[in-house]
Amino acid sequence: KAGVTQTPRYLIKTRGQQVTLSCSPISGHRSVSWYQQTPGQGLQFLFEYFSETQRNKGNFPGRFSGRQFSNSRSEMNVSTLELGDSALYLCASSLWGGAGNSPLHFGNGTRLTVT
Amino acid sequence: AQTVTQSQPEMSVQEAETVTLSCTYDTSESDYYLFWYKQPPSRQMILVIRQEAYKQQNATENRFSVNFQKAAKSFSLKISDSQLGDAAMYFCAYSLGAGSYQLTFGKGTKLSVIP
Repeated sequence: KAGVTQTPRYLIKTRGQQVTLSCSPISGHRSVSWYQQTPGQGLQFLFEYFSETQRNKGNFPGRFSGRQFSNSRSEMNVSTLELGDSALYLCASSLWGGAGNSPLHFGNGTRLTVT
Repeated sequence: AQTVTQSQPEMSVQEAETVTLSCTYDTSESDYYLFWYKQPPSRQMILVIRQEAYKQQNATENRFSVNFQKAAKSFSLKISDSQLGDAAMYFCAYSLGAGSYQLTFGKGTKLSVIP
């Protein structure tokens, strides 16, 4: 079974631009979560989607948004990029969400650099 | 808000020896889950072990075991017979009970394995 696939692996953008990252979950998984990883703040939860509905959102500005499609694939979008948005963005999928009884499976991440 | 603290930014262990990574957490909840994730240079977060707070018995997975002290809010990871492939960042994480859709991570411990 294929794992969680994130594209692209690396991305370089300029301040003020917007960016879209993609995540394909493991087949059969209906929940997709996104995390931002930086050296300073560590891993922080962005949002979680299940059956195309956002169920939970972390403490991030409205420039960060996401969506999930009917095939469970998910995208996250960051508008008006700032230097501080440079990070590794990790996507995780699970059967039905709920990290406790439905373990998360992570992708390899997208490394975003904002210049 | 729940917090997770890993007080050891870096640790090293000789191959075949045993090492213990520390984690403490703060929560007022009684139903929650605790996890250890491993992140090798490939960047993919891999679930090492999971503990349910209502279970007294410490979880074990092959060479990996935890010491879960609920009253002390402590959740340490013991790696026995360390192997070169164990070298990675290790993250302790917390999730509220079933139905919670996000993980709260510690800042991580970088483990080096010396041949």
